[in-house]
Amino acid sequence: DQQVKQNSPSLSVQEGRISILNCDYTNSMFDYFLWYKKYPAEGPTFLISISSIKDKNEDGRFTVFLNKSAKHLSLHIVPSQPGDSAVYFCAASKNTGFQKLVFGTGTRLLVSP
Amino acid sequence: DAGVIQSPRHEVTEMGQEVTLRCKPISGHDYLFWYRQTMMRGLELLIYFNNNVPIDDSGMPEDRFSAKMPNASFSTLKIQPSEPRDSAVYFCASSRNTAARLHQETQYFGPGTRLLVL
Repeated sequence: DQQVKQNSPSLSVQEGRISILNCDYTNSMFDYFLWYKKYPAEGPTFLISISSIKDKNEDGRFTVFLNKSAKHLSLHIVPSQPGDSAVYFCAASKNTGFQKLVFGTGTRLLVSP
Repeated sequence: DAGVIQSPRHEVTEMGQEVTLRCKPISGHDYLFWYRQTMMRGLELLIYFNNNVPIDDSGMPEDRFSAKMPNASFSTLKIQPSEPRDSAVYFCASSRNTAARLHQETQYFGPGTRLLVL
């Protein structure tokens, strides 16, 4: 049972445009959410996170939005760059045993020049 | 720091053989995690350790899988006997301890071991 779902396996965007990656979760006990980026032949690297007490967190070109009532979060990348082409994983954790992250299946983003 | 180190980077073996994956976490990190990545299920947590003690192994698929952490700088994930469905990329990650949940400590991932069981 996938508690964290990324329903779009891939997304193609033109350079300079906005990329929007979506993530849905089913467990209402999740209270912290993270996005990781993964390049081929490398391990995932942390990108940005958000606590459930917020609905938005911004870091440069990256913004994560959280809609708790819909159990939905999204990652916005503006403007998109070719170097952003990677697989993006959404992850969630609960207050108890919070070191345990539950990941989604990932979305492959391709930013074309 | 060299980051999380995993070996081997690639492993090809035949069904029924024993496979041992190795991980060296970042020095000073108290937590160590083993993940498996597949297309169908994404990144799955198999087991994690805190101060060398297994905390949660509920993600270990079956008894064929075992993990150990004999000291703070080394961990192994063993599959015996291996099966074709074990083919995946296995990641090790580590993180520091957090006394309070003010900020989720980032997990740092190794480059992974790509396992192919024929």
